[in-house]
Amino acid sequence: SAVISQKPSRDICQRGTSLTIQCQVDSQVTMMFWYRQQPGQSLTLIATANQGSEATYESGFVIDKFPISRPNLTFSTLTVSNMSPEDSSIYLCSVEGLSWSSYNEQFFGPGTRLTVL
Amino acid sequence: GIQVEQSPPDLILQEGANSTLRCNFSDSVNNLQWFHQNPWGQLINLFYIPSGTKQNGRLSATTVATERYSLLYISSSQTTDSGVYFCAERETSGSRLTFGEGTQLTVNP
Repeated sequence: SAVISQKPSRDICQRGTSLTIQCQVDSQVTMMFWYRQQPGQSLTLIATANQGSEATYESGFVIDKFPISRPNLTFSTLTVSNMSPEDSSIYLCSVEGLSWSSYNEQFFGPGTRLTVL
Repeated sequence: GIQVEQSPPDLILQEGANSTLRCNFSDSVNNLQWFHQNPWGQLINLFYIPSGTKQNGRLSATTVATERYSLLYISSSQTTDSGVYFCAERETSGSRLTFGEGTQLTVNP
């Protein structure tokens, strides 16, 4: 099975600052995504990270707040900008297109637990 | 977009009991997945099951695509089964997984 890692695993940040979260996969994948899980809630897709081009954002999420990079087929970053306490959530990356998996099956990283004071 | 409803929202079991979790969809089933989120937040893949039945140890899942629902069966539950169970369906027009609200399962010793 693939290994999907995220850094940092958790962080406590002050409001107004920014945090960049990294997602690394140990094999090439076709698709990478970023999700948010607010406390006690389900997961919501923030954006699809496109290699070599701008990410595709879901309704309610904008690039200025959540800039995303994907420089290659195994790595992506999500930045949470100008944070407020409402950004306190678990942020998860997911991947699709692993060579050994079912078509369109998504797998998730361990998540980054963010607390904003 | 797709609406995903899960039931029950909460479930408390004694160790050794069996349970059935349900997932209903508002649209055609294409790429249904079941996940278990453990108490540390890790989301673990259980099944990828657009249709039919699959089994993995004490867990099995059935998706009836024509009737737009899926069931997850847990037999002889253990305390380590505790956590939140999510089902999710992929939009036909894109790659977004739409998640249900989850079933919070607590298995007591």
